[in-house]
Amino acid sequence: KNQVEQSPQSLIILEGKNCTLQCNYTVSPFSNLRWYKQDTGRGPVSLTIMTFSENTKSNGRYTATLDADTKQSSLHITASQLSDSASYICVVSANSGYALNFGKGTSLLVTP
Amino acid sequence: DAMVIQNPRYQVTQFGKPVTLSCSQTLNHNVMYWYQQKSSQAPKLLFHYYDKDFNNEADTPDNFQSRRPNTSFCFLDIRSPGLGDAAMYLCATSRGTGVLSPLHFGNGTRLTVT
Repeated sequence: KNQVEQSPQSLIILEGKNCTLQCNYTVSPFSNLRWYKQDTGRGPVSLTIMTFSENTKSNGRYTATLDADTKQSSLHITASQLSDSASYICVVSANSGYALNFGKGTSLLVTP
Repeated sequence: DAMVIQNPRYQVTQFGKPVTLSCSQTLNHNVMYWYQQKSSQAPKLLFHYYDKDFNNEADTPDNFQSRRPNTSFCFLDIRSPGLGDAAMYLCATSRGTGVLSPLHFGNGTRLTVT
């Protein structure tokens, strides 16, 4: 069964600090992995998308890494801001089709 | 400018009373999706359209139906809402279904069933 597990479930950090969110998956055959940011009451917004051959991809203060061998990904947020408070969802595609496997997300709260 | 627009943002309906949620897009994307997201859970795909081709997920209840009259609009019809159907309903679009086709989500409609 294709699964996507994210950790931690929730995280509280101080403004300005860095943090790393984890995503482990069992989806096979792997096609691509996406990180989304979902603000409360809003739809998810794509941050990064990585294919098998990509190890790292950055989007501003967000840097995603992928280890396709161990089936792990991380999302690193640098110099956090209050606006980073959101749920971060890892989504893994098994093939190039429409079937996406969603993690339950990590809820991040950045406090002053 | 919003590219995937869902209306209404909040919808309250009575148990068993049919309700329709709407989604429109200005991206001219081929694929439109409806997801159901309950509190603290991952979005669950209900169905999607690739152009006019409708694809229903195997575990989507018959209570849920969809219409796509044209490229820009897609509707979610819940024929007889139950209390368990209370959730956030997310519409999403993509140009295709390939690697370089990320989903663009609307802001969702939060459905309450009383």
